[in-house]
Amino acid sequence: DGGITQSPKYLFRKEGQNVTLSCEQNLNHDAMYWYRQDPGQGLRLIYYSQIVNDFQKGDIAEGYSVSREKKESFPLTVTSAQKNPTAFYLCASSRRQTIGNTGELFFGEGSRLTVL
Amino acid sequence: DAKTTQPPSMDCAEGRAANLPCNHSTISGNEYVYWYRQIHSQGPQYIIHGLKNNETNEMASLIITEDRKSSTLILPHATLRDTAVYYCIVRVVIYNTDKLIFGTGTRLQVFP
Repeated sequence: DGGITQSPKYLFRKEGQNVTLSCEQNLNHDAMYWYRQDPGQGLRLIYYSQIVNDFQKGDIAEGYSVSREKKESFPLTVTSAQKNPTAFYLCASSRRQTIGNTGELFFGEGSRLTVL
Repeated sequence: DAKTTQPPSMDCAEGRAANLPCNHSTISGNEYVYWYRQIHSQGPQYIIHGLKNNETNEMASLIITEDRKSSTLILPHATLRDTAVYYCIVRVVIYNTDKLIFGTGTRLQVFP
C-alpha cells in the first residue's frame, strides 16, 4: 500500500546525543516536510523539501538538520544543539504544488522522541 | 503567510451539525484555505480545501465568506469519531514556495 512510514515510533535518548528519525514515502511525491508538535500545541514546521537535493528551513529549524538524497526519503536529525528535543515529530509529503491539484498533505503516524 | 484564528474548543451533540469557524483576515488572493483534523497522537488527516467558492465532499462542507476573511467547516451529522483537533490553514500556491502553517486548532468534543 502507498503511504508514508516513519520510524521509530518511540525513541528514548540521553541528553546530548544526536538522533535521526526516518521518513520514507512510496507515493512518488516531490515535496516532503517535517513538523514538530508539543503537548496541546499545533504543528510547527521544521524543514521542507520541494525536490531532491534541495530543502528550506521552516520556522523552527535551529538544532535540526535534514537531507534529501532520494525522492523517497527525508531523514531528520535532532542534534545536541536542540535545547528541548522531547516532542512528537510528524513527516508529511505532497505532490509539487501547482494550480489545480489538491496539494493535500499526507502524514505519517509520527515519532515520539523523549530525551532523558 | 496568512495567519488563522480559531476558538480553542467546541462541543457538539452527536447527530447534530458541527460548525467550526476560522478567521483569516490577512489572506491573500492566491492562498487556499485547508482544513485538517488530528485524532490524538496520530498524523493529521486532510478534510477539505477551497479558494473562493463553497466546497463539499463526503466528509464535510466548507463555506468561505465573499471577502474571504473567514470560513466555516461544517460536519453535517457529527459522530463520536469526529472528536478531534481541527486545524484551519492557509496555503500559498506558488511554484517552489509551498508550505502549510498550522495554528493551535479547535478541539471538537462530540458527546452522546
